[in-house]
Amino acid sequence: EAGVAQSPRYKIIEKRQSVAFWCNPISGHATLYWYQQILGQGPKLLIQFQNNGVVDDSQLPKDRFSAERLKGVDSTLKIQPAKLEDSAVYLCASSRLMGVYGYTFGSGTRLTVV
Amino acid sequence: GQQLNQSPQSMFIQEGEDVSMNCTSSSIFNTWLWYKQDPGEGPVLLIALYKAGELTSNGRLTAQFGITRKDSFLNISASIPSDVGIYFCAGDDYNQGGKLIFGQGTELSVKP
Repeated sequence: EAGVAQSPRYKIIEKRQSVAFWCNPISGHATLYWYQQILGQGPKLLIQFQNNGVVDDSQLPKDRFSAERLKGVDSTLKIQPAKLEDSAVYLCASSRLMGVYGYTFGSGTRLTVV
Repeated sequence: GQQLNQSPQSMFIQEGEDVSMNCTSSSIFNTWLWYKQDPGEGPVLLIALYKAGELTSNGRLTAQFGITRKDSFLNISASIPSDVGIYFCAGDDYNQGGKLIFGQGTELSVKP
């Protein structure tokens, strides 16, 4: 079974620029999550999708972050404009259903904002 | 919001020693999970605990779900160099439908 695919692996941008991350979940996984992991901390959930609908985006800074999951498969997370404090690893995870069974993380995208 | 306090923050041990780390929460969780994260990779699930009091092993790893449902520990016996990494506890509130709350992590270093 192929894992959760994320790209790019690394991205360096200047503050106020925009950036987008892509995630392809495990085939058949209905639930998709985006987490932000700041250096030295545990991951923190940004947004959760069930198929192509948003379940929880309470921790997403909506003035600059947006995410979509068209057709209930791939997802993109966008930051516009980026701030220095957005430097982090952005992890995508997926699970077959809502809940922890089969919860799998991708390798993440490391974003550096300078 | 919910928070997990994980300790210790870091450990430096000799190969062959046993390791213990724990997590406590101010609120109840229905599931406790333990993950390991290697540099440049996402967290990988080590052990999942689903019932209060449950004790589960996975090779040299043993974890327990506290009776109060507010704590959990992870033990690693006879550590080896490949155990190096960051270990995270995570709790799942059933009512949140899969949203995981993570601890701050325990960074483990093993000296051969």
